[in-house]
Amino acid sequence: AQKITQTQPGMFVQEKEAVTLDCTYDTSDQSYGLFWYKQPSSGEMIFLIYQGSYDEQNATEGRYSLNFQKARKSANLVISASQLGDSAMYFCAANQNTGNQFYFGTGTSLTVIP
Amino acid sequence: KAGVTQTPRYLIKTRGQQVTLSCSPISGHRSVSWYQQTPGQGLQFLFEYFSETQRNKGNFPGRFSGRQFSNSRSEMNVSTLELGDSALYLCASSLVGRQYGYTFGSGTRLTVV
Repeated sequence: AQKITQTQPGMFVQEKEAVTLDCTYDTSDQSYGLFWYKQPSSGEMIFLIYQGSYDEQNATEGRYSLNFQKARKSANLVISASQLGDSAMYFCAANQNTGNQFYFGTGTSLTVIP
Repeated sequence: KAGVTQTPRYLIKTRGQQVTLSCSPISGHRSVSWYQQTPGQGLQFLFEYFSETQRNKGNFPGRFSGRQFSNSRSEMNVSTLELGDSALYLCASSLVGRQYGYTFGSGTRLTVV
């Protein structure tokens, strides 16, 4: 099993500024995947970014980047140039190489201030 | 391309009843998983189906069951509903291979009264 920890229940960021959402994980697996999802008030979980445990470079997807520090077991999400539409819950998740079961953190509520 | 479709979107049931939720995955996706989301427990894995076979199951009582059809559509059933079953039930489909991540539906919000 894996344990995902998100220590920031809520975050505020000024529009157009960058924000970092923290995520640490605990796993004994050698091969695993790390993900970030966005959940707006509508409920749908929207896939943002993926990082494999053997990937040496940090993943980037548009304004999203994942700051992967394997030794520290952290996978922080960085959102650059925040937009009002970024206001939502953000979940960090992980899965093992052997299956598609995801383990989710408790989420961080991000509010972008105009 | 159509996303993951979950029906119904909202449901109100009485304690003791049973309920069936439906999930139609993205065309070509053969893996379907179900999650329960509650304010207290967060997102918890229920089960995963691949090619009509349950491949993985979370730590839920036997009242929670599911199945997958040959067209990859999936249903989950909860029998003898309890108040604590009130939750957002999310379905997700994926290609085989974790690098693709999951595509989630908008969920079914179940309220048990």
